[in-house]
Amino acid sequence: DTAVSQTPKYLVTQMGNDKSIKCEQNLGHDTMYWYKQDSKKFLKIMFSYNNKELIINETVPNRFSPKSPDKAHLNLHINSLELGDSAVYFCASGSSGDRVETQYFGPGTRLLVL
Amino acid sequence: AQTVTQSQPEMSVQEAETVTLSCTYDTSESDYYLFWYKQPPSRQMILVIRQEAYKQQNATENRFSVNFQKAAKSFSLKISDSQLGDAAMYFCAYRSFGNEKLTFGTGTRLTIIP
Repeated sequence: DTAVSQTPKYLVTQMGNDKSIKCEQNLGHDTMYWYKQDSKKFLKIMFSYNNKELIINETVPNRFSPKSPDKAHLNLHINSLELGDSAVYFCASGSSGDRVETQYFGPGTRLLVL
Repeated sequence: AQTVTQSQPEMSVQEAETVTLSCTYDTSESDYYLFWYKQPPSRQMILVIRQEAYKQQNATENRFSVNFQKAAKSFSLKISDSQLGDAAMYFCAYRSFGNEKLTFGTGTRLTIIP
């Protein structure tokens, strides 16, 4: 049983296109996240949602719009894709009721913008 | 702002030997959590071990243990009896209490020599 799943795993697209990445967790967590891992493997948080409410929005271009239809899903929509958006995007989830609140990650989506 | 530093971009160890990966962090908080995540070539981010700052006892998980030095703001990971499957990028991460944001170090690539 996959705890945190993302689709697609790979995404190759042209500059200027709009694309979405879906994330689902079946851990019963109330908080979900999107992270971006660049070509140098550096991981940085982009967004955090708690109970469908935006909690963290790091300085991410507004071409990136997260959407949380319910606690178990957090999708990432990217408009007008640019070359610099090429990266691996990770979804993660955690429980705010857990004092340590460990975050569990999905398998990542490798996005390549040509 | 909190920062996490991993000063060893690459490390290698002979199979069955012990290796220590270093991590230091900078914070003014007193209550926080520290994590080590492993990222094998499959790209999946896997939690290895976690430590709560208010606990003086070092965390251990089978062959993995940490040396947590709160005053020195140091959180090293020791891997005993290294196995080929331990080959991966290892990321140190920090989160302060009450804050969902997880801050990562730049990672250490560990190679296991057969």
